Amino acid sequence: DIQMTQSPSTLSAFVGDRVTITCRASQSISIWLAWYQQKPGKAPKLLIYKASSLQSGVPSRFSGSGSGTEFTLTISSLQPDDFATYYCQQYNTYSRTFGQGTKVEIK
Amino acid sequence: EVQLVESGGGLVQPGRSLRLSCAASGFTFDDYAMHWVRQAPGKGLQWVSGITWNSGSVGYADSVKGRFTISRDNAKNSLFLQMNSLRPEDTAFYYCTKDMERDGFYPFDYWGQGTLVTVSS
Repeated sequence: DIQMTQSPSTLSAFVGDRVTITCRASQSISIWLAWYQQKPGKAPKLLIYKASSLQSGVPSRFSGSGSGTEFTLTISSLQPDDFATYYCQQYNTYSRTFGQGTKVEIK
Repeated sequence: EVQLVESGGGLVQPGRSLRLSCAASGFTFDDYAMHWVRQAPGKGLQWVSGITWNSGSVGYADSVKGRFTISRDNAKNSLFLQMNSLRPEDTAFYYCTKDMERDGFYPFDYWGQGTLVTVSS
């Protein structure tokens, strides 16, 4: 299976900060990467697919980039509603795998 | 509005079986692949199983292969997961998810609220 590694595991930031989360794949996955946001007690929500395509209804402050083995999720100006855990997911193989998650906390 | 509603979770002893169901509405069910994803309490996400739009192809995580069986009934807009020989490490919230396309190679654009399966004696 392809291993996905996110960094950092936890991130503390202020409202208004620019935030970047990194996801690395153990082998090339081209652009077949998605990002999800999960709030406590809720199901995950799709934010980004194909590495940089914004899912319908997702605010434009979220953006994704990368290809091959290294990817980033950027929140341009962190809002109170953005404090959550973020997961990357590869879908280069049918047996898709997730990163371990990055928790974004209020500083 | 797309809705995915799971049911069938609960407390079960190790070695026993459980069948999860997912009722789908708000979209053309037989146009999309479907999947099950699980999350142990306080832990990360793990893909469990997926099925194409016409049940022509299914896939399983290695950890459940040979024990779990995914199926769907397009006439009833329903997805199922038959879980046999359950182990304590299968304890998790199980989410029903909709693929973005029919053959099951895209991300999941809709998720249910999850149903908790607890495997314990």
